[in-house]
Amino acid sequence: KQEVTQIPAALSVPEGENLVLNCSFTDSAIYNLQWFRQDPGKGLTSLLLIQSSQREQTSGRLNASLDKSSGRSTLYIAASQPGDSATYLCAVTWFTDYKLSFGAGTTVTVRA
Amino acid sequence: DTGVSQDPRHKITKRGQNVTFRCDPISEHNRLYWYRQTLGQGPEFLTYFQNEAQLEKSRLLSDRFSAERPKGSFSTLEIQRTEQGDSAMYLCASSLSASNQPQHFGDGTRLSIL
Repeated sequence: KQEVTQIPAALSVPEGENLVLNCSFTDSAIYNLQWFRQDPGKGLTSLLLIQSSQREQTSGRLNASLDKSSGRSTLYIAASQPGDSATYLCAVTWFTDYKLSFGAGTTVTVRA
Repeated sequence: DTGVSQDPRHKITKRGQNVTFRCDPISEHNRLYWYRQTLGQGPEFLTYFQNEAQLEKSRLLSDRFSAERPKGSFSTLEIQRTEQGDSAMYLCASSLSASNQPQHFGDGTRLSIL
């Protein structure tokens, strides 16, 4: 069964600390992997998309890595700020498919 | 690019009533998706359109649910005879059909069944 898991479910860090968010998936035949941010009561904001042929993607303070062989992706957020407080969701598109399969998300709180 | 727009943002209705939601995708996007999200969970796929053709439906989409995209632009999702378990956030996303294009989401419609 193709599943996406995010652990931990919640994380609290002091401002300035680097954030490390984990995502694991059960089937390595992925087409791409996308990281999203969700603020309370809002929709999803796309942060980064990593194609299956790529090892990492970077945007500003965000860096996402992909290791298909181990079924893992990691989102790094450097020098966290209170404004980074949100739920971060990982989603996989499997090969020959179009829909996203989501993890349950990690809720991050950055303490000022 | 005005983003994906969903209407209404909130809907409160009594059990047994019918509801309809609308999604306006980003204008040049020919793929449109509907997802459902319950509290504390990630979104779950419901259905997907390529232009006006509905190409896939999840088994989550019971006979009470119907989605349309009549002219390949906006889409509607209708739920008939609503039940308590239908309470959720309904999210719409759109994307280009070229490979490895990200899906862009709207702010969703939150449905509450009394």
